[in-house]
Amino acid sequence: KAGVTQTPRYLIKTRGQQVTLSCSPISGHRSVSWYQQTPGQGLQFLFEYFSETQRNKGNFPGRFSGRQFSNSRSEMNVSTLELGDSALYLCASSPDYGGRGRGLYFGPGTRLTVT
Amino acid sequence: AQKVTQAQTEISVVEKEDVTLDCVYETRDTTYYLFWYKQPPSGELVFLIRRNSFDEQNEISGRYSWNFQKSTSSFNFTITASQVVDSAVYFCALGNRDDKIIFGKGTRLHILP
Repeated sequence: KAGVTQTPRYLIKTRGQQVTLSCSPISGHRSVSWYQQTPGQGLQFLFEYFSETQRNKGNFPGRFSGRQFSNSRSEMNVSTLELGDSALYLCASSPDYGGRGRGLYFGPGTRLTVT
Repeated sequence: AQKVTQAQTEISVVEKEDVTLDCVYETRDTTYYLFWYKQPPSGELVFLIRRNSFDEQNEISGRYSWNFQKSTSSFNFTITASQVVDSAVYFCALGNRDDKIIFGKGTRLHILP
């Protein structure tokens, strides 16, 4: 089976712009979670989707939003980018609800740099 | 509130030594799940193990072993006879039935040849 894929892998944006990141889960996985990874804060939870429904949301401002499609693919959007949004954005999928049963399977991430 | 603490930010050991990575967690829930993940230099996080709160049995998988102790709220990870390929950042994580899975800050492990 193909792993979790994320596109694009690298992105450079300017402050104030918006960005959309895409995630394709492993085939058959219905749960997708998003995390932001930075050297200072580590891995911080953004959202969790299961069967197109947002099940959990982290403590991020409303500029961060996401959605999941009927084929389980997911996108996250960040509007009005700030310098502090520079990070590695990780998507993870799992066959069960949020990875509690069989763990999360992570993609390679999208490295976002905001200048 | 849930919390995961990995007090060791960075550890260096010589190849073939044993090393233990500590993980202490906080939760008020009686049902919860603990995990370990490995992030090698290539960057992709890899799931290693999951434990639920009702199963305190220790687990061994090859050179890896995990010690879960509810009495001390710890879920420690030991690598026996370490190898250079074990060099990575290791994350401990905690989730309950309905809330997000949260990660500790990670322990960067250097295995020196």
